[in-house]
Amino acid sequence: DQQVKQNSPSLSVQEGRISILNCDYTNSMFDYFLWYKKYPAEGPTFLISISSIKDKNEDGRFTVFLNKSAKHLSLHIVPSQPGDSAVYFCAASGRTGANNLFFGTGTRLTVIP
Amino acid sequence: DAGVIQSPRHEVTEMGQEVTLRCKPISGHNSLFWYRQTMMRGLELLIYFNNNVPIDDSGMPEDRFSAKMPNASFSTLKIQPSEPRDSAVYFCASRRGDGAYEQYFGPGTRLTVT
Repeated sequence: DQQVKQNSPSLSVQEGRISILNCDYTNSMFDYFLWYKKYPAEGPTFLISISSIKDKNEDGRFTVFLNKSAKHLSLHIVPSQPGDSAVYFCAASGRTGANNLFFGTGTRLTVIP
Repeated sequence: DAGVIQSPRHEVTEMGQEVTLRCKPISGHNSLFWYRQTMMRGLELLIYFNNNVPIDDSGMPEDRFSAKMPNASFSTLKIQPSEPRDSAVYFCASRRGDGAYEQYFGPGTRLTVT
């Protein structure tokens, strides 16, 4: 049972435009959310996170938005650059004491020069 | 600081053989996670350790899989005997013990069982 879902397997965006990656979750006990970026032949690298007490977190070109009532979060990349081309994973964690991460299946972003 | 180190990076073996994957977590991190990534199932958590103690191995697919963490700087994931359906990329990740959520991943081991 997939508790974290990324329904778009791929996304193509022109360089300089905004990239919006979406993620939905089903478990209302999740209280912390993370985005990871993965290049081929490398492990996922942590990108940005947000606590459930916030609705927005920004780090440079990357902004994550959280809508708890809709159980939805999104990652905005502005402006998109060719080096942003990668697979992006959404992850969520709850207060289980273990802080396990539940991952989505990923969205492949291609930024076209 | 060195990141999470995994070896080997690639492993090709024949069905029935024993496979051992190795991981060195980031120094000072006290939680270690083993994941498997496949096209069909994405990233699956297999097992994790806190302070070298296995906490939850419910993700380990079968008894053919076993994991150990004899000390804070080393862990192994063993598959015996290996089967073609075990072919996947296996990731190790580590995390600080101060309530942090972020996990830091190694580069992965691509396992091919023929």
